[in-house]
Amino acid sequence: EPEVTQTPSHQVTQMGQEVILRCVPISNHLYFYWYRQILGQKVEFLVSFYNNEISEKSEIFDDQFSVERPDGSNFTLKIRSTKLEDSAMYFCASSEVGTGVQPQHFGDGTRLSIL
Amino acid sequence: AQSVTQLDSHVSVSEGTPVLLRCNYSSSYSPSLFWYVQHPNKGLQLLLKYTSAATLVKGINGFEAEFKKSETSFHLTKPSAHMSDAAEYFCVVTPSGGYQKVTFGTGTKLQVIP
Repeated sequence: EPEVTQTPSHQVTQMGQEVILRCVPISNHLYFYWYRQILGQKVEFLVSFYNNEISEKSEIFDDQFSVERPDGSNFTLKIRSTKLEDSAMYFCASSEVGTGVQPQHFGDGTRLSIL
Repeated sequence: AQSVTQLDSHVSVSEGTPVLLRCNYSSSYSPSLFWYVQHPNKGLQLLLKYTSAATLVKGINGFEAEFKKSETSFHLTKPSAHMSDAAEYFCVVTPSGGYQKVTFGTGTKLQVIP
């Protein structure tokens, strides 16, 4: 069964550095998403992406964050000037375009640790 | 606006006994509802979805959920718990129709006692 893959599984970065989290969505999916889950807290929506542009973003997704689909397969989340509070599990998801609501399929996540 | 409330942060059952994980939602729109499961250090796996068809929805691994509009609930059940069901379960709501922004519940950790 096709799946969403995320790399790396764990990223350790010094505070203030930039980090790029990578995702390969399922190949025929056209909607892409990023979520984060701070340890012990709920999963929070960050951003959705369709047709090479952001469809919707949460209040968390400020100027520190950006997303890009640099080629036909990857979907990346860039976090500039990382802060301690950016430490979290980041999940990528993708969904099809179809009639009605299509479920999102999630990757296994990247654990980001900011030191 | 939409929100999801998972009423229990932890549920503990004995192996072979029924499982009930509770979820209540509120939505300004006709919602679609999902249950996801997260095993330790893994991503979120879709268990089942309700998208305005049958109100009783069957999912994978023997789970099912019933959409009750009058009670704004979407509780997850399984007749007989298995050790492999131990995980965290998330109820998710999104507006129906087209692209969706999902809202996650806070999760329920299911413990299965041998």
